[in-house]
Amino acid sequence: GENVEQHPSTLSVQEGDSAVIKCTYSDSASNYFPWYKQELGKGPQLIIDIRSNVGEKKDQRIAVTLNKTAKHFSLHITETQPEDSAVYFCAASPWNGNEKLTFGTGTRLTIIP
Amino acid sequence: DGGITQSPKYLFRKEGQNVTLSCEQNLNHDAMYWYRQDPGQGLRLIYYSQIVNDFQKGDIAEGYSVSREKKESFPLTVTSAQKNPTAFYLCASRVQTEAFFGQGTRLTVV
Repeated sequence: GENVEQHPSTLSVQEGDSAVIKCTYSDSASNYFPWYKQELGKGPQLIIDIRSNVGEKKDQRIAVTLNKTAKHFSLHITETQPEDSAVYFCAASPWNGNEKLTFGTGTRLTIIP
Repeated sequence: DGGITQSPKYLFRKEGQNVTLSCEQNLNHDAMYWYRQDPGQGLRLIYYSQIVNDFQKGDIAEGYSVSREKKESFPLTVTSAQKNPTAFYLCASRVQTEAFFGQGTRLTVV
């Protein structure tokens, strides 16, 4: 089955700096890679996703890059703000939306004012 | 409002008792999932259901059971066979790509 590894487990950055979180996956059948943000006491919410036919996707201050050959993908947050503080999870799945969605272990991001 | 609802938010259980966590969605999604969240271990899949009257074991199914008699509902039973049930449980539903999560149930064994 799929195995998703995520690094680092904790990350602290100064407000205004950039943050990068990296994930690797094992199953070459995976072709959908979402990122979720979880705030304290709440369920995770999708912030950005990428499909395997695309190498990079950007949405304002958030971007995701995918290297399918190396089986790794990364989340980039630029111009970080205090409200970016949260736990971030990467995940991998086959494109069929009813299949298993396997998550990484999470990164606790803290933005230092 | 459309969404996915988990209840209760907090649940206390005595050792040796079974307990059932509720998950209801009105998004008309076929697929539903149960995850367990422990500190430092991310979201681990317990069970998932791709369609009504069908479900599959996830990575940590031992000590848990589910049913999927209606499209809207996917209850999870934590049985006395689960050795370490204290955790945060998350239910999700999904169509095509994006998974929508409930607010979670925090289960504590006392």
